[in-house]
Amino acid sequence: DADVTQTPRNRITKTGKRIMLECSQTKGHDRMYWYRQDPGLGLRLIYYSFDVKDINKGEISDGYSVSRQAQAKFSLSLESAIPNQTALYFCATSDSRQGYNSPLHFGNGTRLTVT
Amino acid sequence: AQRVTQPEKLLSVFKGAPVELKCNYSYSGSPELFWYVQYSRQRLQLLLRHISRESIKGFTADLNKGETSFHLKKPFAQEEDSAMYYCALSPGGYNKLIFGAGTRLAVHP
Repeated sequence: DADVTQTPRNRITKTGKRIMLECSQTKGHDRMYWYRQDPGLGLRLIYYSFDVKDINKGEISDGYSVSRQAQAKFSLSLESAIPNQTALYFCATSDSRQGYNSPLHFGNGTRLTVT
Repeated sequence: AQRVTQPEKLLSVFKGAPVELKCNYSYSGSPELFWYVQYSRQRLQLLLRHISRESIKGFTADLNKGETSFHLKKPFAQEEDSAMYYCALSPGGYNKLIFGAGTRLAVHP
């Protein structure tokens, strides 16, 4: 089955460390997204990419960077992790051929804890 | 400001009872609205979108621009409907979605 895979599933890191969350997909979708979820809040968009050469900031991009290494891979980096970046991170994909608001397909999420 | 509000964190009903999950949005333009659902141990997935005007798993949602609402309804709840439900707004298209905080629906036997 075509899939959206996030690694790692869980990560504990210390304040100030650089950390990378990875997302890969076998769906053949061109668009990829990173969202963050905090308890009691909805998902918030961090970055999105419509193709390999296209990177865009979302609502809460400060403190994060991304890399679209290939159509199938979209990584999220925290340059210097801080405790309020403790959250559940979701990668998602969508297919522009299904329309500009085509359904999002989510990964299982990465739970990040910054101590 | 663009915002999605789901006023209930938890909605608890008995099997066979009607269900209405509330969603209100704040957006000055022409909105596109969605409901996403996350069942236990499954991924977040699209349930329905208002432009499709379809019923999925017995659920429907009508966009009410006057009340700026997009409530999700089902006439007879089933135990398998128990899940976390998120309302989402696409203010500018391209899936730059604004999500509500979610409502957990618990359907009891």
